[in-house]
Amino acid sequence: AQSVTQLDSHVSVSEGTPVLLRCNYSSSYSPSLFWYVQHPNKGLQLLLKYTSAATLVKGINGFEAEFKKSETSFHLTKPSAHMSDAAEYFCVVSLRDDKIIFGKGTRLHILP
Amino acid sequence: DAGITQSPRYKITETGRQVTLMCHQTWSHSYMFWYRQDLGHGLRLIYYSAAADITDKGEVPDGYVVSRSKTENFPLTLESATRSQTSVYFCATDSGRARAEQYFGPGTRLTVT
Repeated sequence: AQSVTQLDSHVSVSEGTPVLLRCNYSSSYSPSLFWYVQHPNKGLQLLLKYTSAATLVKGINGFEAEFKKSETSFHLTKPSAHMSDAAEYFCVVSLRDDKIIFGKGTRLHILP
Repeated sequence: DAGITQSPRYKITETGRQVTLMCHQTWSHSYMFWYRQDLGHGLRLIYYSAAADITDKGEVPDGYVVSRSKTENFPLTLESATRSQTSVYFCATDSGRARAEQYFGPGTRLTVT
């Protein structure tokens, strides 16, 4: 069965330190993968996407993600956290039949 | 250039009442979606539409009705609201490049008392 798992429901980092939000997927073929961000009381916004081109994908606001087929992972990273990065992040898988699967989300807290 | 708008942004209603949530987009995207977001469940697809007059059920359609007479509008109706339908509802459109590359509205927070 196809699925997406965000390994942490909450992540806390200090401002200026690296961010790592983990996402694993299960699929019998290489899917398209996305990360979305949701700030408080806002809708979701696309951060970045992987669609079988370069495995390292750069997104907005300094975020990037690396597709690792051998690990079935698509972890989201940022070298230096900023207070404005505090939000909820969703990993999303898009399958061949156009079905979309959302992860449960990871809430990122930034400590001053 | 508003993009995608939802109204109302906040709504309180009583059990058994009919409620309609509105969604309007200015991009002429063919696909539109309704999701609900609940703590512990993430986003769940209620209904979606591939074009005007074409709608289909998502993961949690029971208790909801949709219509799409015009490309730009996709209203969601709760025919007889229940407390379990208290949630935040998001409308989204699809740019057409990929099903998951969606644009989301700001959401409607619905409380059923």
